[in-house]
Amino acid sequence: GAGVSQSPSNKVTEKGKDVELRCDPISGHTALYWYRQSLGQGLEFLIYFQGNSAPDKSGLPSDRFSAERTGGSVSTLTIQRTQQEDSAVYLCASSLNQAENTGELFFGEGSRLTVL
Amino acid sequence: QKEVEQNSGPLSVPEGAIASLNCTYSDRGSQSFFWYRQYSGKSPELIMFIYSNGDKEDGRFTAQLNKASQYVSLLIRDSQPSDSATYLCAVNMDDMRFGAGTRLTVKP
Repeated sequence: GAGVSQSPSNKVTEKGKDVELRCDPISGHTALYWYRQSLGQGLEFLIYFQGNSAPDKSGLPSDRFSAERTGGSVSTLTIQRTQQEDSAVYLCASSLNQAENTGELFFGEGSRLTVL
Repeated sequence: QKEVEQNSGPLSVPEGAIASLNCTYSDRGSQSFFWYRQYSGKSPELIMFIYSNGDKEDGRFTAQLNKASQYVSLLIRDSQPSDSATYLCAVNMDDMRFGAGTRLTVKP
């Protein structure tokens, strides 16, 4: 597609349930980021992929969070046993090549997660 | 520790004035710096990037970088109500880290 696509756009779930968020980056973009943005706050770094590998997983808030990227394209962010404090907008962004170019990020529209 | 600091604001300026937004960062080895604008309820969009010390101008926007002081700023000249948004500073520290953002309001 022309831009970064995220799904679902909105997700309401009950506390304790697992959720999976999907990101389809711009074709050919090797770098992919996940950020979390709570209401009125900045972008909290979660994880970064260069190709299929994630050099830095230190941003994941807890072991309930995991992410994977297969085939160097689509990525999924999984939150297990969701808690109310997980409620936020989860933003995915992709970049042509983190190591060699400007690093400009192109963002998806985000997945808004509400945990009841 | 990879940190990017911004004054959270809010910053309010009258229409036509200059808005000045500031950012500091922790990683002295960082080489590329970005300013993103985020309208309420929308995703961030890039407005400027800068790599070299000094000023870089693009229309009404000027980015300023001082690597020795680990400081980057954004000036918006002739501010317009449509500039009202949150401005996010981002620094490439082997991965892209963002500041908390500064909310700018331009009053007609």
